[in-house]
Amino acid sequence: GAGVSQSPRYKVAKRGQDVALRCDPISGHVSLFWYQQALGQGPEFLTYFQNEAQLDKSGLPSDRFFAERPEGSVSTLKIQRTQQEDSAVYLCASSLGWPGATNEKLFFGSGTQLSVL
Amino acid sequence: AQKITQTQPGMFVQEKEAVTLDCTYDTSDQSYGLFWYKQPSSGEMIFLIYQGSYDEQNATEGRYSLNFQKARKSANLVISASQLGDSAMYFCAMREGELSGGYNKLIFGAGTRLAVHP
Repeated sequence: GAGVSQSPRYKVAKRGQDVALRCDPISGHVSLFWYQQALGQGPEFLTYFQNEAQLDKSGLPSDRFFAERPEGSVSTLKIQRTQQEDSAVYLCASSLGWPGATNEKLFFGSGTQLSVL
Repeated sequence: AQKITQTQPGMFVQEKEAVTLDCTYDTSDQSYGLFWYKQPSSGEMIFLIYQGSYDEQNATEGRYSLNFQKARKSANLVISASQLGDSAMYFCAMREGELSGGYNKLIFGAGTRLAVHP
């Protein structure tokens, strides 16, 4: 597709379940980001990939959160033993990743809305 | 400490009028970048405009302009000739410092919900 695609669009999980959220970035985009957006708040950075390398995971809230991008394209965000505070919209974004491009814009997907009961 | 402050939880404007959405930021870096994104009800974030800290002129993109006041650390978004389709959440975001590792790690504000009335 032409844009960033995320699936599923909605996910309901029981507390303690593991979930996996998928992101298909724009073809050819080197950079990939995951953000978490709580209700009524702005997105908060979780992690960043340059191709398959996870260069920044400083925003992951706990060791229950794990992200991968094994072939440098599709990425998966996994949350183990989900808790109610994990309920949020998880946004994926990608960009070309040109070195030194200070004004490079991110292209976002529509997100996955996770509800943990 | 909050880096990006958007003090207007909600704003409304009459169609075809102009509206200003406020954004102030906090950074000790000399080099930084400021972005505005629009988030309609569909959920995706849409890039609107970018202003670099060293840019001498205010950025403009069609009906969008950025009123950048560096000394006051403000980067307000001005939307001219509002349209019904402009109704959405608007987020101000900042990249601090020079690109580290070559990527734009953005910090977002809490957003302003804009409603355009016919």
